[in-house]
Amino acid sequence: NAGVTQTPKFRVLKTGQSMTLLCAQDMNHEYMYWYRQDPGMGLRLIHYSVGEGTTAKGEVPDGYNVSRLKKQNFLLGLESAAPSQTSVYFCASTLAGQAYEQYFGPGTRLTVT
Amino acid sequence: GENVEQHPSTLSVQEGDSAVIKCTYSDSASNYFPWYKQELGKRPQLIIDIRSNVGEKKDQRIAVTLNKTAKHFSLHITETQPEDSAVYFCAAFYNDMRFGAGTRLTVKP
Repeated sequence: NAGVTQTPKFRVLKTGQSMTLLCAQDMNHEYMYWYRQDPGMGLRLIHYSVGEGTTAKGEVPDGYNVSRLKKQNFLLGLESAAPSQTSVYFCASTLAGQAYEQYFGPGTRLTVT
Repeated sequence: GENVEQHPSTLSVQEGDSAVIKCTYSDSASNYFPWYKQELGKRPQLIIDIRSNVGEKKDQRIAVTLNKTAKHFSLHITETQPEDSAVYFCAAFYNDMRFGAGTRLTVKP
């Protein structure tokens, strides 16, 4: 099993550009999450999904959109990137609910210039 | 929403010593408290967790204690080794998971 994978690993965007980050898991987990990690601020939840076709906002959802068309995939979109979105983005999944071990992907380092 | 504070932000210990990291949370309804370890450039990985109906949990050199009345929980690492060097994050869950800002632990050989 590959576990949780993320594509791409690195990306540089110019302000105003758009992009989509892909998260995939092969553990048949129901719940998937997108976090951003900034120095000195820990992990902050952007959006999450409790199952195929459903999404919900987390702590810092502004400027991001998500979609969960297939159970194994969770997409994070930036429609118009801003320098404040420079961060490391982690995807995670859990079998059932947030109050269980979260399995994280390797991360995507995004720089917006 | 939930607010989690973590202290200290950096911690340096000598190999073989113990390390203690403390977290406080604001929402008394929080019921799940995991600890994650993140090595440099790697993904966070769960090392231990505790639920609100338990006061203490141990796993070899690692233990977590929970004081629901005071709303704080702590990670204890005994007999530290250089490979324990990493950033450690606490978290608290009620409606969603909130993470502390992290503690950078350095174990000097």
